[in-house]
Amino acid sequence: DAGVTQSPTHLIKTRGQQVTLRCSPISGHKSVSWYQQVLGQGPQFIFQYYEKEERGRGNFPDRFSARQFPNYSSELNVNALLLGDSALYLCASSFGQGESTDTQYFGPGTRLTVL
Amino acid sequence: AQSVSQHNHHVILSEAASLELGCNYSYGGTVNLFWYVQYPGQHLQLLLKYFSGDPLVKGIKGFEAEFIKSKFSFNLRKPSVQWSDTAEYFCAVTLVGLNSGYSTLTFGKGTMLLVSP
Repeated sequence: DAGVTQSPTHLIKTRGQQVTLRCSPISGHKSVSWYQQVLGQGPQFIFQYYEKEERGRGNFPDRFSARQFPNYSSELNVNALLLGDSALYLCASSFGQGESTDTQYFGPGTRLTVL
Repeated sequence: AQSVSQHNHHVILSEAASLELGCNYSYGGTVNLFWYVQYPGQHLQLLLKYFSGDPLVKGIKGFEAEFIKSKFSFNLRKPSVQWSDTAEYFCAVTLVGLNSGYSTLTFGKGTMLLVSP
């Protein structure tokens, strides 16, 4: 079975630009979460979506937005890029049914570099 | 807010040595606990998880972890490491019972393990 897929693999942007990252979950998974991982740190939660609705949002500015489509794939958008947005952006999928047993599986990530 | 602490940022071991990586979390309620591993050039993979029941959890590749509730700890162990265990290891928790209907992972900063042949 295919795992979580993300595109693109790498991306280089300049300050002030906008970027869209894409994620396809594991077949059967209805929840997608986005995380940001900067060098030397563990991943930090950005968003979680379930059945196209936003379930939760981490401590990130409004420049960050996301959405989930009817096929459960998801996009993460970042506007007005700053140098500090340079990071590995990870997508994780899960069944999303119940907090007690939910397990998230991660994609390979998109490496974003902001110059 | 909850946090996760991993005691060592870098660990260097020789093959066949025993491994124990520390993980502590700060949350007084019910938690689910995870260890993820990131091998060089690969994505984060689930190593093992604890939801409830037996506090000694066995995962893939001979790894195990023990949940000690009184110590808020979930240490990862392996009796004899191999060169192929060289990777970065992340401990993570989700909170249970917040009635939010969803769970998000809070990660530690990770421990880079280097196993020399």
